[in-house]
Amino acid sequence: GENVEQHPSTLSVQEGDSAVIKCTYSDSASNYFPWYKQELGKGPQLIIDIRSNVGEKKDQRIAVTLNKTAKHFSLHITETQPEDSAVYFCAATSGGGGGADGLTFGKGTHLIIQP
Amino acid sequence: DGGITQSPKYLFRKEGQNVTLSCEQNLNHDAMYWYRQDPGQGLRLIYYSQIVNDFQKGDIAEGYSVSREKKESFPLTVTSAQKNPTAFYLCASSIYRGPGNTIYFGEGSWLTVV
Repeated sequence: GENVEQHPSTLSVQEGDSAVIKCTYSDSASNYFPWYKQELGKGPQLIIDIRSNVGEKKDQRIAVTLNKTAKHFSLHITETQPEDSAVYFCAATSGGGGGADGLTFGKGTHLIIQP
Repeated sequence: DGGITQSPKYLFRKEGQNVTLSCEQNLNHDAMYWYRQDPGQGLRLIYYSQIVNDFQKGDIAEGYSVSREKKESFPLTVTSAQKNPTAFYLCASSIYRGPGNTIYFGEGSWLTVV
């Protein structure tokens, strides 16, 4: 089955700086890679996703890049703001079996924005 | 507003008791899911359902049970057989179970064993 590794587990950056969170996956058949943001005591919210037929996708201050050859994908947040503080989860799916569309989650990154 | 509603938000259970967590969605989604979240463990799939009257075990189904009698409802029962039930439980849904479908989450329910 799929295995998703996420790093770092905790990331502290100064307000206004950029933050990068990286994930690797094991199943070369995986073709869909969403990122979720979870605030304390709430459910995860989808913030951006990318499919295997593109290498990069941007949405304002957030971007995701995908390297299929190396089997890794990254979340980039520029000009960080206090409201970006949260736990971020990456996920990968091949949709080829298993539950939840074969979606496998990383263990999360706690992003802390220092004022 | 369309969305996923979980209740209760906080629940306390005595050892040996069964408890049921409610999940209702008005998104007209066919597929629904239950996840368990523990600190540092990420999200782990308990059960999922692709359609009414059908459900399948996920990775950690032991000690849990579900039903899917209506499209909009997917309650989770945490039984006394679940040895370590204290956790944050998340219900989710997607249009249907298939590759690349966006999964939407509810706000979660905290279960504590006392």
